[in-house]
Amino acid sequence: AQSVTQLGSHVSVSEGALVLLRCNYSSSVPPYLFWYVQYPNQGLQLLLKYTTGATLVKGINGFEAEFKKSETSFHLTKPSAHMSDAAEYFCAVSISGTSYGKLTFGQGTILTVHP
Amino acid sequence: DAGVIQSPRHEVTEMGQEVTLRCKPISGHDYLFWYRQTMMRGLELLIYFNNNVPIDDSGMPEDRFSAKMPNASFSTLKIQPSEPRDSAVYFCASSPVRLAGDYNEQFFGPGTRLTVL
Repeated sequence: AQSVTQLGSHVSVSEGALVLLRCNYSSSVPPYLFWYVQYPNQGLQLLLKYTTGATLVKGINGFEAEFKKSETSFHLTKPSAHMSDAAEYFCAVSISGTSYGKLTFGQGTILTVHP
Repeated sequence: DAGVIQSPRHEVTEMGQEVTLRCKPISGHDYLFWYRQTMMRGLELLIYFNNNVPIDDSGMPEDRFSAKMPNASFSTLKIQPSEPRDSAVYFCASSPVRLAGDYNEQFFGPGTRLTVL
């Protein structure tokens, strides 16, 4: 079975600073990996995904993540935080090669951006 | 496209009452998912459908919970009788048919915030 661990339930950064949200996964087979963002009182929205190919994936709003198999990690970064980035972020994993990939979510990381 | 539509957005009810949550998936999507989000347990998949057929309901917590999808454009999640511990945000999501070797995004609705008193 797969699992996801997000390190840090709360991350606080200043506007313009680097954003780094950590995600480690466990999977016995090659995983598909995702980052979703949830703004207050809204549903989840896909930021980016890794399935195959290039290990550095770029998403919306300037976010990117790098799949590191040796470290079983998929950390989310953004060079310069903006106030509008304040939200909750979820890392998720799915098993590749199945007819349906059940998503397993991490516990979420709340990002606060200070002026 | 209007996206995934859920109703009601907020529901407050008393313990023991029946609660019905509704979802309209994105037209043309073959998969529909029901999730529950709580502070304690995070996001949990309750059940999912493929072409209106329930495929995996292993996440449904108890027999008090039931879900149906009578047609491609409508699904319900029912709790009968409701209990205070059912208080949570319930999300519906839909996804287009899977392509071999790829994974299709799940599109989430805005959620229904359920409070059981």
